[in-house]
Amino acid sequence: GAVVSQHPSRVICKSGTSVKIECRSLDFQATTMFWYRQFPKQSLMLMATSNEGSKATYEQGVEKDKFLINHASLTLSTLTVTSAHPEDSSFYICSARDPSGTGDTQYFGPGTRLTVL
Amino acid sequence: GENVEQHPSTLSVQEGDSAVIKCTYSDSASNYFPWYKQELGKRPQLIIDIRSNVGEKKDQRIAVTLNKTAKHFSLHITETQPEDSAVYFCAATPYGQNFVFGPGTRLSVLP
Repeated sequence: GAVVSQHPSRVICKSGTSVKIECRSLDFQATTMFWYRQFPKQSLMLMATSNEGSKATYEQGVEKDKFLINHASLTLSTLTVTSAHPEDSSFYICSARDPSGTGDTQYFGPGTRLTVL
Repeated sequence: GENVEQHPSTLSVQEGDSAVIKCTYSDSASNYFPWYKQELGKRPQLIIDIRSNVGEKKDQRIAVTLNKTAKHFSLHITETQPEDSAVYFCAATPYGQNFVFGPGTRLSVLP
């Protein structure tokens, strides 16, 4: 399957700082990437859809000014958690839609565990 | 919008037995149904998927069946092994739309 990388894998930061997470598709070009948040023992919650060259589409209840998404190239999307607070601590996972075949398969990055102190 | 339910939430089986996880969906426009396996602290991995023009698909010990009329699809794992222990998520989506995931099933294969 296609390969998606995510960096960093783990980050600890102080309350009030901003954290940037990168998601890269390594062997295919992804016009669409997705950002999910996952709490312990829970399912994947879609935060936003990242479209290359246009603004991201945010799910209801997700603050776009707090979770800034940039998809500047066909292989890179970034999520910036601004002014992070302890309640933002979570596991953040990106995925990329593989355009080959029928174009509906998503491959996930390894995730980023964010801990805000 | 689409709503996906998944049962059971937890499942324990003896090594070598079969495991079945069932998902139901609400949107008749959904036409793509992937299954993901997620081990603790790791990424979800696609293990099998099925599209609405097919009723069943098999890949070695894993199979998925789809009943479009009843709007449900199931994951079947035969001859379970300890390494099959993980959380399994189903998802449903109309073509090109976002995935809607089920709440997950924690499978434990007991030696």
